[in-house]
Amino acid sequence: KQEVTQIPAALSVPEGENLVLNCSFTDSAIYNLQWFRQDPGKGLTSLLLIQSSQREQTSGRLNASLDKSSGRSTLYIAASQPGDSATYLCAVRPGMGAGNNRKLIWGLGTSLAVNP
Amino acid sequence: GAGVSQSPSNKVTEKGKDVELRCDPISGHTALYWYRQSLGQGLEFLIYFQGNSAPDKSGLPSDRFSAERTGGSVSTLTIQRTQQEDSAVYLCASSYQGTGVQETQYFGPGTRLLVL
Repeated sequence: KQEVTQIPAALSVPEGENLVLNCSFTDSAIYNLQWFRQDPGKGLTSLLLIQSSQREQTSGRLNASLDKSSGRSTLYIAASQPGDSATYLCAVRPGMGAGNNRKLIWGLGTSLAVNP
Repeated sequence: GAGVSQSPSNKVTEKGKDVELRCDPISGHTALYWYRQSLGQGLEFLIYFQGNSAPDKSGLPSDRFSAERTGGSVSTLTIQRTQQEDSAVYLCASSYQGTGVQETQYFGPGTRLLVL
């Protein structure tokens, strides 16, 4: 059974720091891995999607890496800002093929606070 | 353009009553997903609709839960004889049918359900 774990559960940093959020999964047979951001009272926003054949994806100050064999992904946030404060969720899509099963397995998230 | 919308945004009901939650996906998205997020728990997959294919109902927690998608667009999640443990945020997401970044899921703001 696929399980997704995120460490740390909470993180508080001063503005400007570079930081790393970790995600691990128990079964390396994944089709893709996604990072989302959740703001209080709002839905989730997709940040990055990494296919199983890819090593990393970048968007602005965000960089996500994937090491499928070791069951790990990291989300790197450069030069953090107070507006980055949110909960960051990692989700994996199990399976080796494109298939029709798009069920995502989710971690519990890392709650990030960036202090001015 | 318009994102995923959900209604109502908040719902308070009494134990034993039925509730209906509505989701309007992004126009052109053929895939629609329902998730549940309970306090202190990760997102839990409930059901997935893809075009005219039979929905993946494997995440529905009991036969009190059902969902339908009319005309390949709007979806309704129905919970019959609600229980206190049904209290959660119910999130809807939609995506294109393609693979890769096309399967990025776009989330609505959620419906907060409280069963008294």
